[in-house]
Amino acid sequence: QLQLQESGPGLVKPSETLSLTCTVSGGSISSTTYYWGWVRQPPGKGLEWIGIIYYSGSTYYNPSLKSRVTISVDTSKNQFSLKLSSVTAADTAVYYCARGPDVDMNWFDPWGQGTLVTVSS
Amino acid sequence: SYVLTQPPSVSVAPGKTARITCGGNNIGSKSVHWYQQKPGQAPVLVIYYDSDRPSGIPERFSGSNSGNTATLTISRVEAGDEADYYCQVWDSSSDHQSWVFGTGTKVTVL
Repeated sequence: QLQLQESGPGLVKPSETLSLTCTVSGGSISSTTYYWGWVRQPPGKGLEWIGIIYYSGSTYYNPSLKSRVTISVDTSKNQFSLKLSSVTAADTAVYYCARGPDVDMNWFDPWGQGTLVTVSS
Repeated sequence: SYVLTQPPSVSVAPGKTARITCGGNNIGSKSVHWYQQKPGQAPVLVIYYDSDRPSGIPERFSGSNSGNTATLTISRVEAGDEADYYCQVWDSSSDHQSWVFGTGTKVTVL
């Protein structure tokens, strides 16, 4: 059964860089069928797509975050990572990693449990 | 950018039917996927490709999509269906690819 687990600091200072890693177990991140993605959810608000990456390193980013986001993949560790630079309080959210979309650009499934990142000094 | 609009809340009595709409410009031409999110938990896919159910999702969950509105229908609602529900599409109509989520609907079981 495929499982994803986010890890990283729960507290980041304003203007610094948020860094998270998603570890995939029960399946290979080198799958040719799927991308791997990040989605966030500010407290009490809805879901926002951040970006996705293919095992080859090909990426798509949310245009509203593109200037600050970098997603990378480490196939040897079966992990992919998120970096978000110059964070502000507005970046406080639960960050989820998920498998997907597939190469036909569809849904995200399954999701990790999520990790809360708070931006505060 | 593409926008998906959902009603903020829907209330339904146990055993009745809940219908959650997702409005978007010509959404009927896109594939719509639906997620259920219970408090403190990650989203779970409940409908994909407008109306297909992943394994393990009850038949009480169904979906449709036409024109400018997609609909998630929950039949014979149970207390355990109380959750937030989000629709999602892939939009390639502009000069970039985007995965768009709806605004979310809180389903309350009375």
